Amino acid sequence: AQSVAQPEDQVNVAEGNPLTVKCTYSVSGNPYLFWYVQYPNRGLQFLLKYITGDNLVKGSYGFEAEFNKSQTSFHLKKPSALVSDSALYFCAVREDPYNFNKFYFGSGTKLNVKP
Amino acid sequence: DAMVIQNPRYQVTQFGKPVTLSCSQTLNHNVMYWYQQKSSQAPKLLFHYYDKDFNNEADTPDNFQSRRPNTSFCFLDIRSPGLGDAAMYLCATRGTSGSTDTQYFGPGTRLTVL
Repeated sequence: AQSVAQPEDQVNVAEGNPLTVKCTYSVSGNPYLFWYVQYPNRGLQFLLKYITGDNLVKGSYGFEAEFNKSQTSFHLKKPSALVSDSALYFCAVREDPYNFNKFYFGSGTKLNVKP
Repeated sequence: DAMVIQNPRYQVTQFGKPVTLSCSQTLNHNVMYWYQQKSSQAPKLLFHYYDKDFNNEADTPDNFQSRRPNTSFCFLDIRSPGLGDAAMYLCATRGTSGSTDTQYFGPGTRLTVL
């Protein structure tokens, strides 16, 4: 079965400090991994994805994520957090080739960036 | 430019009164999804269309139905809303050519059931 886990319900970080939001995955095939951000009363916005290639993926708004196959992880990172980064972050996985239309979301991590 | 549009953004209905939520897209994507999201939880897939092929999740209640009259539009019908159906409903699309891996989400419709 395909799944993702976000072990932290909430992450608190001071503005200007680096941030990490954790995600681990479980798939039986090749993983397609995604990060989305959600602001209050809004839909999900795509941040970045890993399909193949370099393990370090760069995305929108200065975010990046590192794919680690041995640890089955895909942690989201940013070198210097902004207050405006405060939002709900979701990790998602799609398995290739089976069930290619379905995406499995983690439970979400609320990021709080304090001034 | 709005790519996935959901109307209305906020919908209030009464217990048991049918309600329809709409989604339209300008991306010409083959796949359209409906998710239910409660209280900042993970979005829960209700069903999806691949073109006209309808795929229902096994645990989606019969109370929820969907229609896709053409590529651009998709509707979510809740036949008899209960208090437990109050949630944010998210529509998403995915293409099957070019960048086929990314879902594009609409802003959501927040449903309140009185």
